[in-house]
Amino acid sequence: AQKVTQAQTEISVVEKEDVTLDCVYETRDTTYYLFWYKQPPSGELVFLIRRNSFDEQNEISGRYSWNFQKSTSSFNFTITASQVVDSAVYFCALSEYSGAGSYQLTFGKGTKLSVIP
Amino acid sequence: GAGVSQSPSNKVTEKGKDVELRCDPISGHTALYWYRQSLGQGLEFLIYFQGNSAPDKSGLPSDRFSAERTGGSVSTLTIQRTQQEDSAVYLCASSAGSGPANEQFFGPGTRLTVL
Repeated sequence: AQKVTQAQTEISVVEKEDVTLDCVYETRDTTYYLFWYKQPPSGELVFLIRRNSFDEQNEISGRYSWNFQKSTSSFNFTITASQVVDSAVYFCALSEYSGAGSYQLTFGKGTKLSVIP
Repeated sequence: GAGVSQSPSNKVTEKGKDVELRCDPISGHTALYWYRQSLGQGLEFLIYFQGNSAPDKSGLPSDRFSAERTGGSVSTLTIQRTQQEDSAVYLCASSAGSGPANEQFFGPGTRLTVL
């Protein structure tokens, strides 16, 4: 069963539009962490945010905001007033104990965002 | 170095050959991870190192894959008798600790193409 689902494979928006990237996760752990990473065309994954399972406060960082809802197992990411530089693949990831000695990051399949000028 | 580095950036090989991929983690980072990113499969965990030991090899797809880490620093991922399905981008990440909250810093990846 897929543990992290990013249902949107590709999204295109026009510059300055707002866009929300969806992430739904599945875990049996009571303590876990969720992450968002950005992968621009250069290929290197860039950390955006980390959220622990006990903190449901929404977070805003500039044009980025995140909405974490345990009741629906969702951790959605919104970009306000999108810019061309936001074009990238965005990954949602879940950190949980693997049972084999480590905390693994399980990634969703990613959402490719294209911002059109 | 400032970040995680990987070499080579690109590797083209013939089916059946062995390849070695190298990862230099951020200095002082004790945890090191290898992932594989391929079309249609997303990012898959391969192996985790804490220091020089690998307590979690659960993601290695077959016994053709192995990895080692020496001096608590550099890691090498070896793929023996490469197959076309091994073609992917291999990503290395490191973190200061191995707990669930630790941010993993990723390298630029090695793009492996098996002809």
